Amino acid sequence: DTGVSQDPRHKITKRGQNVTFRCDPISEHNRLYWYRQTLGQGPEFLTYFQNEAQLEKSRLLSDRFSAERPKGSFSTLEIQRTEQGDSAMYLCASSVYMGTGPTEAFFGQGTRLTVV
Amino acid sequence: AQSVAQPEDQVNVAEGNPLTVKCTYSVSGNPYLFWYVQYPNRGLQFLLKYITGDNLVKGSYGFEAEFNKSQTSFHLKKPSALVSDSALYFCAVTSGGGADGLTFGKGTHLIIQP
Repeated sequence: DTGVSQDPRHKITKRGQNVTFRCDPISEHNRLYWYRQTLGQGPEFLTYFQNEAQLEKSRLLSDRFSAERPKGSFSTLEIQRTEQGDSAMYLCASSVYMGTGPTEAFFGQGTRLTVV
Repeated sequence: AQSVAQPEDQVNVAEGNPLTVKCTYSVSGNPYLFWYVQYPNRGLQFLLKYITGDNLVKGSYGFEAEFNKSQTSFHLKKPSALVSDSALYFCAVTSGGGADGLTFGKGTHLIIQP
């Protein structure tokens, strides 16, 4: 399967700990997105990259959150000093951008974070 | 700011009947509209999109959606529902103005009864 893959699928951490998630997009996709989804809500946009450049960050992305895409391939999302409110499903998606408007994004299965 | 409203938390339809899942949006500039479906323990799957052109767009699994600019709506439809269509459906919008981060609705549970 050459879809978007995320690791780990589940993470339980104690409040105050740091966590890091990884996303491997579809190989030829130049855009990569991070979303957060809580129970009963639709996904909320956090940030996106075009190649290795981080082009936009949502106000939802507090200073404790940082994302990287060092070589324009995989991406990591780190949350420092986790809080219980960070408990959610973190979704990664990728797409091809050709300069002619939005294209459909393909989503991974997500990383479910539980902060205890 | 952009937003999406899916006014129904749940839609119940008998198998074989037509189905409609409603979506309205608010966006500055031209809207780019998407429908995604989420099955249990699976990632979001793309169904269809409206970028420009014909107001009626066709997508995967026999679904279609009609873009109505005056009513700012993008309802999802299917002429004959299948039990396997039961899932959680999300409508999403972006204006595409520099960023393609989608704004999603809360989702609508579609339940197809045999």
